[in-house]
Amino acid sequence: EAGVVQSPRYKIIEKKQPVAFWCNPISGHNTLYWYRQNLGQGPELLIRYENEEAVDDSQLPKDRFSAERLKGVDSTLKIQPAELGDSAVYLCASNSAGANYEQYFGPGTRLTVT
Amino acid sequence: QKEVEQDPGPLSVPEGAIVSLNCTYSNSAFQYFMWYRQYSRKGPELLMYTYSSGNKEDGRFTAQVDKSSKYISLFIRDSQPSDSATYLCAMSEGTGGFKTIFGAGTRLFVKA
Repeated sequence: EAGVVQSPRYKIIEKKQPVAFWCNPISGHNTLYWYRQNLGQGPELLIRYENEEAVDDSQLPKDRFSAERLKGVDSTLKIQPAELGDSAVYLCASNSAGANYEQYFGPGTRLTVT
Repeated sequence: QKEVEQDPGPLSVPEGAIVSLNCTYSNSAFQYFMWYRQYSRKGPELLMYTYSSGNKEDGRFTAQVDKSSKYISLFIRDSQPSDSATYLCAMSEGTGGFKTIFGAGTRLFVKA
């Protein structure tokens, strides 16, 4: 069984440029998360989807971040415009319905904003 | 004060040692307690989870939860160099829509 797939793995952009990350969760997993992990810190939730509905986006900086999961499968996270402080690893995770204690993570996208 | 506190280490031990990793927390409503392992430049990988108090064993790994002290532990027996990684504790108040809160992680080095 394929795990959570993310692309790209690495991205270097200049500040004020846009950037997008893509995630394909494990097949059959209704719940999808986007996390941000800063160096030396644990993952912090940005947004959680149940199928195609964003049910928790309270920590998403909505002035510059957006996300979508149009068909309830894969998802895209976008930042526009990027700031220096956005440099981090962006992790996607998924779990089957209700099993938030058993999240499966992708390898992450390491974003560097210069 | 953070909801979940975890000593960042690094913790360096010789091969074969018993490793003890710990987290403390402040939210008494936490019911699910998880341990994730994260290798460098990889995503976290679930090792095990525990519901409420008690112990859980899986091979060389044992998780303990002491809710009265708001303290959880992960023990690794017969540690191997391949155990060198960052270990993240995580907690949640319940299933479904409850948010998972992660500790900052402890870096572990097992020397051959």
